[in-house]
Amino acid sequence: GENVEQHPSTLSVQEGDSAVIKCTYSDSASNYFPWYKQELGKGPQLIIDIRSNVGEKKDQRIAVTLNKTAKHFSLHITETQPEDSAVYFCAAPPARGLTGGGNKLTFGTGTQLKVEL
Amino acid sequence: NAGVTQTPKFQVLKTGQSMTLQCAQDMNHNSMYWYRQDPGMGLRLIYYSASEGTTDKGEVPNGYNVSRLNKREFSLRLESAAPSQTSVYFCASRLQGLLTFGAGSRLTVL
Repeated sequence: GENVEQHPSTLSVQEGDSAVIKCTYSDSASNYFPWYKQELGKGPQLIIDIRSNVGEKKDQRIAVTLNKTAKHFSLHITETQPEDSAVYFCAAPPARGLTGGGNKLTFGTGTQLKVEL
Repeated sequence: NAGVTQTPKFQVLKTGQSMTLQCAQDMNHNSMYWYRQDPGMGLRLIYYSASEGTTDKGEVPNGYNVSRLNKREFSLRLESAAPSQTSVYFCASRLQGLLTFGAGSRLTVL
């Protein structure tokens, strides 16, 4: 199946600095890469996603970049604020050949981001 | 809209006891999922249901059963709980590529 690796596992930045989280995936046929944010005591929420036909997507202070050749994608958060403190997960769809319906995303192991004042 | 609702939020069980986690969504989504979340291991898929009447195994199905009761409801059952099933469980539903998660159910098995 798909293998997704996420780094770093923890990240501490000063308020106003940028944060970058990186993920690699194994299946070159994967074509959809979402990022989820999980606040304490809550379920993950989609914050941005990118499809394989584009190399970058931005939404205000967050952006995702995709390098299909190297099979990695990254989340960039600029001008970090305390409310950005959370766990972030990347994900990728299943490898070719898996049967069954549904979008069985494989998640990375998560990055605990702490924005310090 | 409530989105995805899970019950209970917290539960403590003794080894060997059984219980059912309930999940309901009001977004008319076809696909529903159960994940477990453990420290350092991210979210792992237990079971999913692509549509009403169908269920299939995910990455870690052993020790669990599911029922897609109707389009809205997807329950997860532990027939004989084990300490290894201590975890936070998340239900989710899907529209196209977007997964919407519930708030989670924290289960402790002693």
